[in-house]
Amino acid sequence: GEDVEQSLFLSVREGDSSVINCTYTDSSSTYLYWYKQEPGAGLQLLTYIFSNMDMKQDQRLTVLLNKKDKHLSLRIADTQTGDSAIYFCAEADRGSYIPTFGRGTSLIVHP
Amino acid sequence: GAVVSQHPSRVICKSGTSVKIECRSLDFQATTMFWYRQFPKQSLMLMATSNEGSKATYEQGVEKDKFLINHASLTLSTLTVTSAHPEDSSFYICSAPQKMAEAFFGQGTRLTVV
Repeated sequence: GEDVEQSLFLSVREGDSSVINCTYTDSSSTYLYWYKQEPGAGLQLLTYIFSNMDMKQDQRLTVLLNKKDKHLSLRIADTQTGDSAIYFCAEADRGSYIPTFGRGTSLIVHP
Repeated sequence: GAVVSQHPSRVICKSGTSVKIECRSLDFQATTMFWYRQFPKQSLMLMATSNEGSKATYEQGVEKDKFLINHASLTLSTLTVTSAHPEDSSFYICSAPQKMAEAFFGQGTRLTVV
């Protein structure tokens, strides 16, 4: 099975908060990432969190990590139409730093 | 932030021809770069790790003779899709780590083989 799993779609109204969830299986994961991909473009690193952290906040983005359940979430406050994109969760272990990606969550923001 | 530039962004080629895709780190040196392939609505699949000054490391199931990788300098890696076929049509993305745990991605190349 996949090492990193995400739901495929999320639809929210502009101004609401979005929460994108991810689960991973590798207990040796050291770094957990969120990337954003707009149509036809490469990936933009949004934020990442070390496995010894529970939370990281960066402006409108809040990352929560539940290491016991191997659950990672990305909360986007005051979601805007420009936030519409595919969001990839990824994990990497200390040895390689090469991310393993989930299939991505397509976020659709309605006006 | 760090910039990784990938070129071309789109290419259409005839079946049987070869296509070269370039990946450049613009403001930092990268001894290692990664090449991914992305199918529609799918995750990124790591194809190979490009190593400056040595051979690339290919993931299981990736044909090294078909996907030639050359890491000519500390800022440039190239992926050549040789004798391309329609099933090679895909979105190819490179990435380069600027520092520990942070990998930056190119814009991607949409390859269409007709």
